Amino acid sequence: DAKTTQPNSMESNEEEPVHLPCNHSTISGTDYIHWYRQLPSQGPEYVIHGLTSNVNNRMASLAIAEDRKSSTLILHRATLRDAAVYYCIRGQGAQKLVFGQGTRLTINP
Amino acid sequence: GAGVSQTPSNKVTEKGKYVELRCDPISGHTALYWYRQSLGQGPEFLIYFQGTGAADDSGLPNDRFFAVRPEGSVSTLKIQRTERGDSAVYLCASSFTSGGLNEQFFGPGTRLTVL
Repeated sequence: DAKTTQPNSMESNEEEPVHLPCNHSTISGTDYIHWYRQLPSQGPEYVIHGLTSNVNNRMASLAIAEDRKSSTLILHRATLRDAAVYYCIRGQGAQKLVFGQGTRLTINP
Repeated sequence: GAGVSQTPSNKVTEKGKYVELRCDPISGHTALYWYRQSLGQGPEFLIYFQGTGAADDSGLPNDRFFAVRPEGSVSTLKIQRTERGDSAVYLCASSFTSGGLNEQFFGPGTRLTVL
């Protein structure tokens, strides 16, 4: 099974950092880690991806464990607009994405 | 620029009827994907096209489901003899190509309700 393991839900406060964990203990050496998020009533949108090194972009940072069996998506300063379901996906590229149930992130004002 | 568009946004049909769902990908994107999402679940892969050909249709649940992309742009997902269990949001996505790490851009989905 190519799915990852994520907590069902998390809660944070506006303007605070959020750390979303993901376990992928059976990841292969060539699998990347992709994060997508889905805002209410919208299709998923790409957030970030990485292989071994930590990655940063305008939306978030991705911290990957040295053994690659887990990773953490970091939102540095959450806003209400970041409330969404966050999906951690392992795979080798832009072919079929295997989504799990994701983590539902709630942001409190 | 314009994103992925899907029509209709909502479709209500009766059990046993035939439905067509349309997807307009981002211009220039050669890869197109269909997923469906049941309430409370993550999207589930159905099929993807590279150009006009279906490169992977392993997610289609049975032979009532069929998809085409005759000119390598617009795609239509066709469902015959609809069943209540087909009710879901059908999502379409496109990417520049299916190789490498091209991100997928998703449309807003078509909500299908089978009564």
